[in-house]
Amino acid sequence: EAGVAQSPRYKIIEKRQSVAFWCNPISGHATLYWYQQILGQGPKLLIQFQNNGVVDDSQLPKDRFSAERLKGVDSTLKIQPAKLEDSAVYLCASSLVGGTYFGPGTRLTVL
Amino acid sequence: QQPVQSPQAVILREGEDAVINCSSSKALYSVHWYRQKHGEAPVFLMILLKGGEQKGHEKISASFNEKKQQSSLYLTASQLSYSGTYFCGTGTEGNTGKLIFGQGTTLQVKP
Repeated sequence: EAGVAQSPRYKIIEKRQSVAFWCNPISGHATLYWYQQILGQGPKLLIQFQNNGVVDDSQLPKDRFSAERLKGVDSTLKIQPAKLEDSAVYLCASSLVGGTYFGPGTRLTVL
Repeated sequence: QQPVQSPQAVILREGEDAVINCSSSKALYSVHWYRQKHGEAPVFLMILLKGGEQKGHEKISASFNEKKQQSSLYLTASQLSYSGTYFCGTGTEGNTGKLIFGQGTTLQVKP
């Protein structure tokens, strides 16, 4: 069974630029999450989708971050404009029942 | 409320045992355990959904004490491959998939 796919794996941008990350969850997994992991810390949930609907986005900085999962399968997370403090690994995860599985992540560096 | 993990770091010799604790000031509804190696995504180990539940996989097991609002991860006869950072993620009422992660426990197993 294929795991959670993410791209790109690495991205370096200047502050105030925009960036987008893509995620394809494990086939059949209805729930998809985007987490932000800052170096040395545990992952922090940004947004949770159930199919194509948002379940929780309480910790998403909505003035600069947006996410969509239009067809209930793959998802895109966008940051516009990026700030220095957005430098982190962005992890996509998916779950069905009994466990949440993470993708390899996208390491974002904002200069 | 972020769960608190203890200890923050452990150094072991191969074959030794270790216990990692995860405590919350709020009621726990589910506990997920992950291991993350440097530069990689967190890998799902196990999920505990009921108070008093215990699970095991090979030489790694976990318990969930609902009354004490605590979970413990037990690593028996540790191997070099067990090295990494262990995170507990606690689920919230009504949304056990929304995980709040602890700060992590770094485990280093030496030959």
